[in-house]
Order: sequence, then structure tokens, then C-alpha cells
Amino acid sequence: KQEVTQIPAALSVPEGENLVLNCSFTDSAIYNLQWFRQDPGKGLTSLLLIQSSQREQTSGRLNASLDKSSGRSTLYIAASQPGDSATYLCRGSWGKLQFGAGTQVVVTP
Amino acid sequence: NAGVTQTPKFQVLKTGQSMTLQCAQDMNHEYMSWYRQDPGMGLRLIHYSVGAGITDQGEVPNGYNVSRSTTEDFPLRLLSAAPSQTSVYFCASSPPGTAITEAFFGQGTRLTVV
Repeated sequence: KQEVTQIPAALSVPEGENLVLNCSFTDSAIYNLQWFRQDPGKGLTSLLLIQSSQREQTSGRLNASLDKSSGRSTLYIAASQPGDSATYLCRGSWGKLQFGAGTQVVVTP
Repeated sequence: NAGVTQTPKFQVLKTGQSMTLQCAQDMNHEYMSWYRQDPGMGLRLIHYSVGAGITDQGEVPNGYNVSRSTTEDFPLRLLSAAPSQTSVYFCASSPPGTAITEAFFGQGTRLTVV
């Protein structure tokens, strides 16, 4: 069974600091991995999608890496801002989709 | 372009009542799915559909029914609501041809069963 884990469940950082969010998975035969942002009471907004053939994807201040051999993906958010406060979820795809429980991020001014 | 639309946004049910959560998408996506989100457990797949007329069970299907008579709509029916079904429900769709590409999510339905 494929499992996706996100640790820590919550973290708080001061504004301007770089954010590093971790996602680990148990099955290296992953098709792709997607990162989402979820604001309180809202749906999921897609941030980045990394295919299995890729090592990383970048969009603005966001960079996501994928290491299939170690079963890890990392989402980096550079120079964090209070507006980055949200819950970040990763989702692995093995045909079947499996979500992590998310990391709740608070960026303090 | 409305994307994925879920109704209602909030609902309170009494134990034993039935109801239907609506989901519609206007992107001509073949793949649609329903998830429930509970604290500390991430999103868990309830049912999914790879096209009109085709549905299948996900990880937690008990107590829920689905149908897919059109490409656009994928309603989720609670047959006899139980307090354990208190959750936030999300509908998602993906572009044609595969479920392994980017997924688009609705805004969610917060359901409370008392």
C-alpha cells in the first residue's frame, strides 16, 4: 500500500525566512507528485506538479524537488511572507492518488 | 470558466437522513472523484469515475453512492447519514485520458451529522 507522510504537522516561521516542507512516500514507482495549498475553509489550489521523469519544478518563489529513490519530495518557499500562511498538502500518484495529511504553516510578521 | 463547483457549501443533517452532494465541472474532464478530509488524516478517496457511466470505489466507500450519467456531473449520495460522516467533502476532476495529471478541486462541502 502506498503511503504519503508529511512531517511536521505544523510549523511557524518569521517573515523572510525560507520554508522547507517535506513529503515522504513508500513506493518509488510513483507517476508524479503534486503540491497543493489549502486556505482555511477553502478547496485545494495546485502549486506544482512533478512528473516521475523530472527532478524539480519551479514557479516564482516555489521550488519542488522529487527524489524517487529516497521516497522524498521537498517544497521550498523562498523569502516567506504572511500570505504564505496555509496548509500545504502533497499528493502522490501511482494511478491511485494518495494524499499526505498536510503541514500547517504560519508565517509571522 | 467556473471550474469545479460544489453545492451546498455547508449542511447539517440528522442521523439517518439522506442527502446528495452536488459536483459539476465545465472543463470536459473525464476523471472525477470525491474525497473526504478529516483532521490529521489528509484526503481519502471515496468514489471515482473515469467517464460517464463508469464509477468505482475508493478507499472509504461505505455509506456513499455515486452515479455518473453525464461528463459534467458527479453527485455523491449519503444513504443514511451517521455522525462518522461528519467531514469536509471535496470533489475533484482531471483532464481527459488519465487520472495521473493535475487535479482541480472544488471549494468543499462541510457536512455535520448530529
